[in-house]
Amino acid sequence: EIVLTQSPGTLSLSPGERATLSCRASQSIASSRLAWYQQKPGQPPRLLIYVASTRATGIPDRFSGSGSGTDFTLSISRLEPEDFAVYYCQQYGRSPWTFGHGTKVEVK
Amino acid sequence: QVQLQESGPGLVKPSGTLSLTCAVSGGSISSNNWWSWVRQSPGKGLEWIGDIYHSGSTIYNPSLQSRLTISVDKAKNQFSLTLNSVTAADTAVYYCARDWGENGMDVWGQGTTVTVSS
Repeated sequence: EIVLTQSPGTLSLSPGERATLSCRASQSIASSRLAWYQQKPGQPPRLLIYVASTRATGIPDRFSGSGSGTDFTLSISRLEPEDFAVYYCQQYGRSPWTFGHGTKVEVK
Repeated sequence: QVQLQESGPGLVKPSGTLSLTCAVSGGSISSNNWWSWVRQSPGKGLEWIGDIYHSGSTIYNPSLQSRLTISVDKAKNQFSLTLNSVTAADTAVYYCARDWGENGMDVWGQGTTVTVSS
C-alpha cells in the first residue's frame, strides 16, 4: 500500500502567517489523486482539496494545494483563527486508499 | 444537501460482531458515487475500511477484508458495515462518507464511537 508521510508533525504559527504542509508518498500517486482534509476536535474530517490542487466547494482561496508524483503541499496563505486544526492528506489513486498521520497547526 | 448519520452499538465484546448503519438523507443512495466507511483510532489514525456502490459492488481494505462485509439497502436509503471477530484494536470512531471518486470524500457523518471491551 502507499504510505503517506506528513511533515512537520506540528507547526506553531501566529494568525496572519503562512503555513506550508508537506505530504510525501512512498510511490507515485496516479492522476494526482491526493486530497487534503481539515479536522477539528470532535468533528469529522472536512474536504479542502482534491486531485492535488482543486478546492472543494466553499473552501476559501487562502487554501491552495500543489504537487504531483510523490510530493504534495498544502499552503494556507494567511492563517485565520479558525484554521488552527489538524490536516491530513489522503491518496485515492491506488487501493487501499490511505491517509497520512496528520500535521497539527497550532497557535504559537 | 446530502447528510449522513451513523448508528449502532457503542460497545461490542471481544470476538463479537460490530454492526453499523449509515443513513443517507437529502439525496439518493443510488446517485453516481461510492459510499465509504473510515475509522479513526489514536493508535492508527485515519484508516479507510471500504467502499460500496449502490449496485452492491464493493472495494475492501485488504487488512480487514477477511472479517468485513459492507452492504447497501436501497429501500431504506442506507448502507451498513459488519466486522467480525473484533478485538480491542477495532476500537475507534467510525465514520461514513460519500466518495465522489476523483473529487474526494466530500460529505461525512459525525462519527460514532465503538469500544471493544468485555
